[in-house]
Amino acid sequence: GENVEQHPSTLSVQEGDSAVIKCTYSDSASNYFPWYKQELGKRPQLIIDIRSNVGEKKDQRIAVTLNKTAKHFSLHITETQPEDSAVYFCAAFRNKLVFGAGTILRVKS
Amino acid sequence: ETGVTQTPRHLVMGMTNKKSLKCEQHLGHNAMYWYKQSAKKPLELMFVYSLEERVENNSVPSRFSPECPNSSHLFLHLHTLQPEDSALYLCASSQERSPGEAFFGQGTRLTVV
Repeated sequence: GENVEQHPSTLSVQEGDSAVIKCTYSDSASNYFPWYKQELGKRPQLIIDIRSNVGEKKDQRIAVTLNKTAKHFSLHITETQPEDSAVYFCAAFRNKLVFGAGTILRVKS
Repeated sequence: ETGVTQTPRHLVMGMTNKKSLKCEQHLGHNAMYWYKQSAKKPLELMFVYSLEERVENNSVPSRFSPECPNSSHLFLHLHTLQPEDSALYLCASSQERSPGEAFFGQGTRLTVV
C-alpha cells in the first residue's frame, strides 16, 4: 500500500523567512496530493492541493511542487507569519488518503 | 462548520465499558474514514468505507469495530479498550474515485481509564 514520508518533523523559522516541507510517496498511481494545516486543538484543514497532471500550484504565500518521476512533493511558505505556526500534514491519494507523519512549524517573531 | 460532525467531543471510559463514537456528514460524499491521532502517530488511518463497504482495515485491534449504515453516518464501536487507546479520533469524508478535499470532523478526545 501507499507509504508517505514527511520531513522535517519540526521546523523553526524566523518571521519573514521561507519554510519548506518535503514529502515522498511510494505508489506511483497516486494522483492527488493535498496539504493540511492543523492548529492546536482544531481539526486538520486543507490549505492547498495538487493533482498529478500539474507540476506546481501557487496560492498567495503558499505553493506546492510535484515531481512525479521522483515521487516527491513539497510545500513552500514564503514570508512566514506567527499565525503560520501549526502542524502541517501532506497526503497522497490513490484509493484512500494516506498522511505523512506531520511537521510542527514554529514561526518566531 | 465543515459539514462533518462528530459526537461526543470528549469521552472518558473505563476499560470494561462499551461506547460508540458517531460521525455524520451532509456533503454528499461516498467515502468515510476513521483516523487516530496521538503523539506517537499523528494521523494514523484506521478504517476506510467506500460506498458503505469497508475497503480498508489497517491492522486495527478487534476492540475497535466500525459500522457504516449509510453513506452519511459512520460509527466506531469501542469495547474493552486499553489506556494506550487514549487519543483523538478523527472522522473524515471525501468523494471516492474523484479525489478532492477530505473534510474532517472536530474529533472525539477519548480517555481510557
